[in-house]
Amino acid sequence: KAGVTQTPRYLIKTRGQQVTLSCSPISGHRSVSWYQQTPGQGLQFLFEYFSETQRNKGNFPGRFSGRQFSNSRSEMNVSTLELGDSALYLCASSLARTSGNEQFFGPGTRLTVL
Amino acid sequence: AQSVTQLDSQVPVFEEAPVELRCNYSSSVSVYLFWYVQYPNQGLQLLLKYLSGSTLVKGINGFEAEFNKSQTSFHLRKPSVHISDTAEYFCAVSTANQAGTALIFGKGTTLSVSS
Repeated sequence: KAGVTQTPRYLIKTRGQQVTLSCSPISGHRSVSWYQQTPGQGLQFLFEYFSETQRNKGNFPGRFSGRQFSNSRSEMNVSTLELGDSALYLCASSLARTSGNEQFFGPGTRLTVL
Repeated sequence: AQSVTQLDSQVPVFEEAPVELRCNYSSSVSVYLFWYVQYPNQGLQLLLKYLSGSTLVKGINGFEAEFNKSQTSFHLRKPSVHISDTAEYFCAVSTANQAGTALIFGKGTTLSVSS
């Protein structure tokens, strides 16, 4: 079974631009969660989508948004990029029947904002 | 609100020595507990999880963890480490029985195994 895939793996943008990251979950998984990983703040939960609906949201500004398509693929968008948005963005998929279900992580997209 | 504290940011050990990575959590509700490992330039991989039942949980690669409710701890242990165990380890919690999979992570512990 193929794992979680994220594209692109690396991205360089400048301040003020916007960016879209993509995540394809494991086949059959209906939940996709996004996390931001930085050296200073560690791993922080951004949001979760389940059956095309945002089910949970972390404490991030409205510049961070996402969506999920009917095939469970998900995208996250960051508008008006700031230097502090430089991070590894991880996507995880899960069967998500309960919060105890294992989340399977992709390799991440490393975003650098100049 | 929930929080996770990993008490050691770096743990250096020699190969074949035992290791313990410490994790404490804070929550006003029941939680599920997880340990994940991250190798360089990779995503996270689940080592083990505690949902309920026996407080001693065994995971992959010879790791185990013990849930201690009175001390709100979930320490990870391995009796004999290998060079290949060098990685970053994350303890995480989620609210039990909730709809949704949001995980709260600790800051991570870097395990460095040398020969």
